[in-house]
Amino acid sequence: GAVVSQHPSRVICKSGTSVKIECRSLDFQATTMFWYRQFPKQSLMLMATSNEGSKATYEQGVEKDKFLINHASLTLSTLTVTSAHPEDSSFYICSAGRGANTEAFFGQGTRLTVV
Amino acid sequence: QKEVEQNSGPLSVPEGAIASLNCTYSDRGSQSFFWYRQYSGKSPELIMFIYSNGDKEDGRFTAQLNKASQYVSLLIRDSQPSDSATYLCAVSPSGTYKYIFGTGTRLKVLA
Repeated sequence: GAVVSQHPSRVICKSGTSVKIECRSLDFQATTMFWYRQFPKQSLMLMATSNEGSKATYEQGVEKDKFLINHASLTLSTLTVTSAHPEDSSFYICSAGRGANTEAFFGQGTRLTVV
Repeated sequence: QKEVEQNSGPLSVPEGAIASLNCTYSDRGSQSFFWYRQYSGKSPELIMFIYSNGDKEDGRFTAQLNKASQYVSLLIRDSQPSDSATYLCAVSPSGTYKYIFGTGTRLKVLA
């Protein structure tokens, strides 16, 4: 399958700081990438759909000013958690697909802990 | 009604048995169906995808799709303790890049 690389895998930051998470498709071009968060023992929650060269589409209830998404190229999308608070602590996962209705591949995930 | 529904489990099966995981979806226009496995603390990994009605086999895994009844299932033959994980069903509506995930079924294979 295709490879999606996410970095960092773990990050601990102080409350009020910002954290950037990178998601790269290593062997294919991803016009669209997705960002999810997952709390313990819960399912994936789609936060936003990241489109190369245009603004991200956020799901209802997700603050676009808090979770900044940039999809600067066909292989890279970034999620920046701004002014992080302890309640933002979660597992953030990106995924990318090769086209509509095809399988999506996931990055390794980033465990964010805000202290 | 949730868009993609799965029984949360846990589903416990003895080692060597067949594990049967089920998923129903509400959007009749859905075109693509996926099964992912997620170990605790890890991100999901793709097991199988299926687009057409019927069965699709890959090793010990068989995906079954019935669009008329709007369900998709995953059978795991000769279950192993290493198969113990949460299995996520995902559906992609026609013509979209979106994936809608179920809440997952936790499978426990008992040695």
